[in-house]
Amino acid sequence: DSGVTQTPKHLITATGQRVTLRCSPRSGDLSVYWYQQSLDQGLQFLIQYYNGEERAKGNILERFSAQQFPDLHSELNLSSLELGDSALYFCASSSGTLYGYTFGSGTRLTVV
Amino acid sequence: SQELEQSPQSLIVQEGKNLTINCTSSKTLYGLYWYKQKYGEGLIFLMMLQKGGEEKSHEKITAKLDEKKQQSSLHITASQPSHAGIYLCGADYNYGGSQGNLIFGKGTKLSVKP
Repeated sequence: DSGVTQTPKHLITATGQRVTLRCSPRSGDLSVYWYQQSLDQGLQFLIQYYNGEERAKGNILERFSAQQFPDLHSELNLSSLELGDSALYFCASSSGTLYGYTFGSGTRLTVV
Repeated sequence: SQELEQSPQSLIVQEGKNLTINCTSSKTLYGLYWYKQKYGEGLIFLMMLQKGGEEKSHEKITAKLDEKKQQSSLHITASQPSHAGIYLCGADYNYGGSQGNLIFGKGTKLSVKP
């Protein structure tokens, strides 16, 4: 157990639907990062939150959004889902680059 | 083009053999992280390198960051089936430890034949 908890582990949904992925960071970590991993694109950075505020954006689609709550857990919202959104979605947390980044076990999203 | 290139893309070695995986950046690295991933599972942190010339070892795995901080290598000595998986390097291009995001290479898939 890495200390970063992601739920659900698996999600199957239809095109056009909306889903929410949840992440609880490791205790004490203020930063949360979301990544998408697909076979063709590899591990792509989506978005980072630090203590409730958006810190950096990567290759995140406009249909996707995220937030970090006062208790530091984060949610990634994916809407108007397309077949190409099927991927593994990872959350990572960090308390500083000197201490590394800890990844959760991921949520596997399948859009049918 | 990719900021961070890993080579080889895949590798099959006989158990007991040594191997090296390379990670080359198109710009200066402020930190380089190595992770291992079993197919479809989470990333397991292996090592972090920050200083040019730095070398770290853990069990039979050694990682180095070259002096110019643009390339890292991961060396496994006397490989075992438990070393099989996907090895990913992640680059921190953020100066000053600002908790920025990591950029990842596409990974090296390692298979170890018993």
